[in-house]
Order: sequence, then structure tokens, then C-alpha cells
Amino acid sequence: EIVLTQSPATLSLSPGERATLSCRASQSVSSYLAWYQQKPGQAPRLLIYDASNRATGIPARFSGSGSGTDFTLTISSLEPEDFAVYYCQQRSNWPPVCTFGQGTKLEIK
Amino acid sequence: QVQLVQSGAEVKKPGASVKVSCKVSGYTLTELSMHWVRQAPGKGLEWMGGFDPEDGETIYAQKFQGRVTMTEDTSTDTAYMELSSLRSEDTAVYYCAIVGGYFDYWGQGTLVTVSS
Repeated sequence: EIVLTQSPATLSLSPGERATLSCRASQSVSSYLAWYQQKPGQAPRLLIYDASNRATGIPARFSGSGSGTDFTLTISSLEPEDFAVYYCQQRSNWPPVCTFGQGTKLEIK
Repeated sequence: QVQLVQSGAEVKKPGASVKVSCKVSGYTLTELSMHWVRQAPGKGLEWMGGFDPEDGETIYAQKFQGRVTMTEDTSTDTAYMELSSLRSEDTAVYYCAIVGGYFDYWGQGTLVTVSS
């Protein structure tokens, strides 16, 4: 089973700063990786799919990059509403399973 | 636009079963691939299983095999997730989600509390 490891566990930044979140896979997932944002009491929301494509309605300040085993989610200039927990997720065709990273909490400094 | 509305919170005793429903609107269930994800209090997301359109079968995460059953009622566009032999560690919010490659749409979540 592919394991996704996110770093850091917690990231403390101020509004207007740039955020860089990392996700590393235990083996190659090609570009089959997504990023989600979750706020307290809410369901997760899809931000990025296939490593670098923004989902519908996601602001341009969110961007994803990487392939193989190393992936990055970048938020170019943090808005107050961006402080949340972020998860990466991979999907494999065989075996057909999904796994999530353990999450990165982005908090206001 | 797809909307997923889940059933309300449940409190169960250890050893019991729980069945959570997820009503789809905006699309018919036969057009969609429904999956289930859970989240224990203060913890991360855990995939439980879902419908694999590649082979037309429901796949379960190994951790839950033998204890979880995912079904669909296409006449009402409602999906169900039943988890049996509940233990305290199963206390979590359970989400249904539509997968079109990734988890595109999510239900609001159903809190299941397992307590004696």
C-alpha cells in the first residue's frame, strides 16, 4: 500500500505570506495526486487534481506541482479564509485503493 | 450540480451495527461512483471503499473487509454504508463522496458515536 507523508504537520504563517506544503509518496503515483482543504466542521473540498489542475472555482493563488513521489501545494498569498487543514490523496488503479496523507494544519501566526 | 445529503447522527453500543444513508440529487446514482470516507475526532481522513466503475464492483479497504457493506437503491438514488461489530474506535464522522477520478463532491457527514 502506498503511504503519503505530508510535511510539515503544522505551518504557522501570516496573511499575505506564501505557503508551501509537501506530500511525499512511498512509491511513484505518477501524477495521480489530489489536494483537499478542510475547515472545522466542514467536509473536505477538492482543490487540485492530477497534481497540478485546479478544480472548478478554486482561486488562482492555489497551485500544485510535482510527479512521481514528490508533490507541492503552494498558496501564493494567504487570505484569512485559507487557514485550514490540507490533505493530499492518491489513487491507484491496481489495487484500486485510495489513501490520504495525514494532513498539514495551516494556522495563523 | 450534485448534492449529497446524509442521514443524521447515531449513537450505538459496542457490537451493534450502523447504517448511514446518502441521498443524491442533481444526478442519478447509476451515473456516479460513490465512496465512503471516515474521520475520527481530531484525526485525518480514512478511505473505506466505494464503487469501482472499471469492473462494476464495490471495493473495500482491507481494514474494513468483512465488517462493511456498501449498497445502493437506484430507485431512490440513495447509497448506504453499513458497518457492523462496532467498537469505540469506530466513533467518527462518516462521509459519502462522489468520485470522478477524485473526491469531487461530499456529503455533509454523519457522526457515529460508539459508546456503552
